[in-house]
Amino acid sequence: AQKITQTQPGMFVQEKEAVTLDCTYDTSDPSYGLFWYKQPSSGEMIFLIYQGSYDQQNATEGRYSLNFQKARKSANLVISASQLGDSAMYFCAMRAIKAGTALIFGKGTTLSVSS
Amino acid sequence: DAGVIQSPRHEVTEMGQEVTLRCKPISGHDYLFWYRQTMMRGLELLIYFNNNVPIDDSGMPEDRFSAKMPNASFSTLKIQPSEPRDSAVYFCASSLRGSANYGYTFGSGTRLTVV
Repeated sequence: AQKITQTQPGMFVQEKEAVTLDCTYDTSDPSYGLFWYKQPSSGEMIFLIYQGSYDQQNATEGRYSLNFQKARKSANLVISASQLGDSAMYFCAMRAIKAGTALIFGKGTTLSVSS
Repeated sequence: DAGVIQSPRHEVTEMGQEVTLRCKPISGHDYLFWYRQTMMRGLELLIYFNNNVPIDDSGMPEDRFSAKMPNASFSTLKIQPSEPRDSAVYFCASSLRGSANYGYTFGSGTRLTVV
């Protein structure tokens, strides 16, 4: 069975600090992709970053990086230098080939950034 | 590209009424997905299509829900009759191909309230 687990319902950080949002996953498929999406209070789902299961290096996109530890089946999102606009819900998601092509999502983590 | 377009953005209806949600995927994308988001259950996959053909509808909660994709540029999700527990945000997303490294583009969602 495919599963994504996000154990932190809420995280609080001050501006300019770095924050790590945790994500663990479970799949028996050797080929899969891991994604992070941001959902601000306006409700839209915004793609942030992608990591493939065969990628040797951790993915980075601007202030976002994905700390991929394959043996531990974890794909944590690191946001450097947090900004007030980073306050939102963050979802970790996985898409595995063998199980079909549908993204499955974790329950999400609410990030609150204060000044 | 205009992105994935959903309509309406908000829908308020009375219990027992028929509700139709609409989605226009990104041109050229061959996968289309319908998700439902609630506080209790998070983001749930309802159904997805590949080349207009329904592939997996195991997430459709019951026979009151139906989805169609008559052509590559249009899909509907219908609830008949609607019930208060159907209140949620319904997202449509599209994707190019089924490989794990292709993420989704989400529409802005339809917030459905059944009273």
